[in-house]
Amino acid sequence: DQQVKQNSPSLSVQEGRISILNCDYTNSMFDYFLWYKKYPAEGPTFLISISSIKDKNEDGRFTVFLNKSAKHLSLHIVPSQPGDSAVYFCAASVLVSGNTGKLIFGQGTTLQVKP
Amino acid sequence: EPEVTQTPSHQVTQMGQEVILRCVPISNHLYFYWYRQILGQKVEFLVSFYNNEISEKSEIFDDQFSVERPDGSNFTLKIRSTKLEDSAMYFCASKGDFSGELFFGEGSRLTVL
Repeated sequence: DQQVKQNSPSLSVQEGRISILNCDYTNSMFDYFLWYKKYPAEGPTFLISISSIKDKNEDGRFTVFLNKSAKHLSLHIVPSQPGDSAVYFCAASVLVSGNTGKLIFGQGTTLQVKP
Repeated sequence: EPEVTQTPSHQVTQMGQEVILRCVPISNHLYFYWYRQILGQKVEFLVSFYNNEISEKSEIFDDQFSVERPDGSNFTLKIRSTKLEDSAMYFCASKGDFSGELFFGEGSRLTVL
């Protein structure tokens, strides 16, 4: 099941610079997208989401961009901080009546922010 | 801040044994889920539960798996006869409304020997 793909297993950036994490999806029914952050031995923590009716959502240092025609979304972190070092998961869902609202996750991208 | 809690944090069991993983979702949440993550792999959906019944289950969730919400606060995942390949981190999650984000617990690590 490769409905959600994160093709970069890892990313390394310098503190203060921008981190850009990418995600592609294949199911055109997806209408809600989320980014989760995960530290080792912890559960995923919700970061930011975007509905398919928008193309951008911003929350502090985090911005998610959605390009529906390309079936692509990205997470921008500006400025990156060492504490941002974690695994980032992209997830997608179909939020229509009768659906269960389950999330389909990508494989994750390990972000390392170097001081 | 309300959180999803899971017990045990780590369980080691022999192949063929029954295991019950417990979760206390956030108290006013209505939608409940179990996911798992095998080491090095993606987080995979197992089952969703709403209105006291399973609303969807994945291919992984075969007859060896069951879920229960016995008392209105706990949400359990039972594996009747564990296999080596059941070794994984199991995450419970809940959400308050259909369009909200999913809140995850810290996970229960299951090791089957």
